[in-house]
Amino acid sequence: NAGVTQTPKFQVLKTGQSMTLQCAQDMNHNSMYWYRQDPGMGLRLIYYSASEGTTDKGEVPNGYNVSRLNKREFSLRLESAAPSQTSVYFCASRLVAGGPNEQFFGPGTRLTVL
Amino acid sequence: QQQVKQSPQSLIVQKGGISIINCAYENTAFDYFPWYQQFPGKGPALLIAIRPDVSEKKEGRFTISFNKSAKQFSLHIMDSQPGDSATYFCAASRAAGNKLTFGGGTRVLVKP
Repeated sequence: NAGVTQTPKFQVLKTGQSMTLQCAQDMNHNSMYWYRQDPGMGLRLIYYSASEGTTDKGEVPNGYNVSRLNKREFSLRLESAAPSQTSVYFCASRLVAGGPNEQFFGPGTRLTVL
Repeated sequence: QQQVKQSPQSLIVQKGGISIINCAYENTAFDYFPWYQQFPGKGPALLIAIRPDVSEKKEGRFTISFNKSAKQFSLHIMDSQPGDSATYFCAASRAAGNKLTFGGGTRVLVKP
């Protein structure tokens, strides 16, 4: 079991460039999440997918789009990167059966936008 | 608007000492309060969680204390060890809900 995997681990973009962050989980979880982590701000939810075929905005969705490709995969796209999007991005998944369940996090993608 | 406020931002404790991290929340609909531990270069991982029907939960050297009337909860790390050096995040959600709201994090350094 690999758990939650993310690619790439590191990325440097120039302002205006686009890119897609990939996330996959092999735990048969129903819900998937994208967070960004900035110093002193904790983790802030960008988008989430409660189940295959649905996506919803989180706390900080502006400048991002997501796709729940199938039950395993949830991608995050930056259409026109800005320096304010420099951050560490984490994908997480959650089973959602019968009560509160922990979210399992991937190792993160460190993104720098110049 | 940060719905979960965490303090302190950082703390240094000697080996064997007690680390205490505090969190306060605003939304009275929250009824699930987990703590996550994050080591450098890694994603957060669940450490311990509590529901508001109990005032305290202990797992090994880690204890959550919960005060529903004050809308506050805290993490105590007893007999702190250098291996406990990490960033700790409190969080809150509705148990039946989908979204966790995180505090700002506390970086803990345990000196040998």
